[in-house]
Amino acid sequence: DAGVIQSPRHEVTEMGQEVTLRCKPISGHDYLFWYRQTMMRGLELLIYFNNNVPIDDSGMPEDRFSAKMPNASFSTLKIQPSEPRDSAVYFCASTPRGGDTQYFGPGTRLTVL
Amino acid sequence: GDSVTQMEGPVTLSEEAFLTINCTYTATGYPSLFWYVQYPGEGLQLLLKATKADDKGSNKGFEATYRKETTSFHLEKGSVQVSDSAVYFCALSDRDSNSGYALNFGKGTSLLVTP
Repeated sequence: DAGVIQSPRHEVTEMGQEVTLRCKPISGHDYLFWYRQTMMRGLELLIYFNNNVPIDDSGMPEDRFSAKMPNASFSTLKIQPSEPRDSAVYFCASTPRGGDTQYFGPGTRLTVL
Repeated sequence: GDSVTQMEGPVTLSEEAFLTINCTYTATGYPSLFWYVQYPGEGLQLLLKATKADDKGSNKGFEATYRKETTSFHLEKGSVQVSDSAVYFCALSDRDSNSGYALNFGKGTSLLVTP
């Protein structure tokens, strides 16, 4: 199994630009989570999906952030427009139905200049 | 709401020393408890877990016991190695809460083991 796949691994962009982060969960997993990691705030849940449906998006910082899961094997997290304070490592994780262990991708390190 | 508190780091130990990283939690329901480890430049990996009171999770020489009476899940290892240097996260999942299946993480504790 390839595990959770995230792309890109690193992204450097300028303030105001649109950023799209991508995630492919483990095949057969029903739950997909997006987390953000910063030194100041640690690991924060942004949003999670069950069977492609957003269940809890209360952690999404503001309207500049949006997430979609058009099918069971793909999700995107979009920031538009990006700001320097969005600089962080963004992790995607997935969990099978009935399971409680989350499997994390390697993360995308985002730097907004 | 649910929360996890773990000891501040960094923790620096010599090889073969005994390790304890404290973790306490607050939850409204009956959470599952986890320790995840993050090696430099990598994502988080599950180290061990416990799903009910008095359960002991163990893996790679690490252990943690789910203590409901003290709401704690302290991580221990009898003899650390240089390869254990990483950041350790305590987390809980409370299906009875609004966050459901999501993990609620502590701030993380950085461990450095020196030869």
